Amino acid sequence: AQSVTQLGSHVSVSEGALVLLRCNYSSSVPPYLFWYVQYPNQGLQLLLKYTSAATLVKGINGFEAEFKKSETSFHLTKPSAHMSDAAEYFCAVSDRGADGLTFGKGTHLIIQP
Amino acid sequence: EAGVTQSPTHLIKTRGQQATLRCSPISGHTSVYWYQQALGLGLQFLLWYDEGEERNRGNFPPRFSGRQFPNYSSELNVNALELEDSALYLCASSLVINMGANTEAFFGQGTRLTVV
Repeated sequence: AQSVTQLGSHVSVSEGALVLLRCNYSSSVPPYLFWYVQYPNQGLQLLLKYTSAATLVKGINGFEAEFKKSETSFHLTKPSAHMSDAAEYFCAVSDRGADGLTFGKGTHLIIQP
Repeated sequence: EAGVTQSPTHLIKTRGQQATLRCSPISGHTSVYWYQQALGLGLQFLLWYDEGEERNRGNFPPRFSGRQFPNYSSELNVNALELEDSALYLCASSLVINMGANTEAFFGQGTRLTVV
């Protein structure tokens, strides 16, 4: 079985500040890990994915995430927040089996001017 | 290239009725996934179809069903609608049978189902 925990349903940062969104996973096998972003009234868009290559993964819009096996974490970061980053962010895990993607409950990112 | 398309964008039904939601995957994608996004419950996996077969289903009652057609488009049916079924229903498609390999899932804009 696989699961994802996203710490913090809401995260608020100032424009220009560091963005850190936390994700911890559990998986019985080496996982694939994903971060998706959802803007209001839209579907989900892939930000980045980890598929057992480099542990530091760079994505779109300046986001990156680091896979840490010892901590079972895949936190999402961006050095400098922009107003356009305000959205819902979902972490997801796949154990490559028949369960599809398992999503976390999401973190709503708020950017303060 | 056209993305994943879902129809209708909004649907209002009365409790007890049936709802049918449709999804057209990206051309060439054989796998279609359905997710329910209800307020406060996050994204819940509903169903997974590949090559016309149901491969897996989430923890939902049998009144949630669907099918995949020969052209890989898919339909989600919800019978005997309940108020708690009100949610955004998202469809995603991917190239490979195991979502998560060296590919990614592409999501549609969703169908907003409201049960009154």
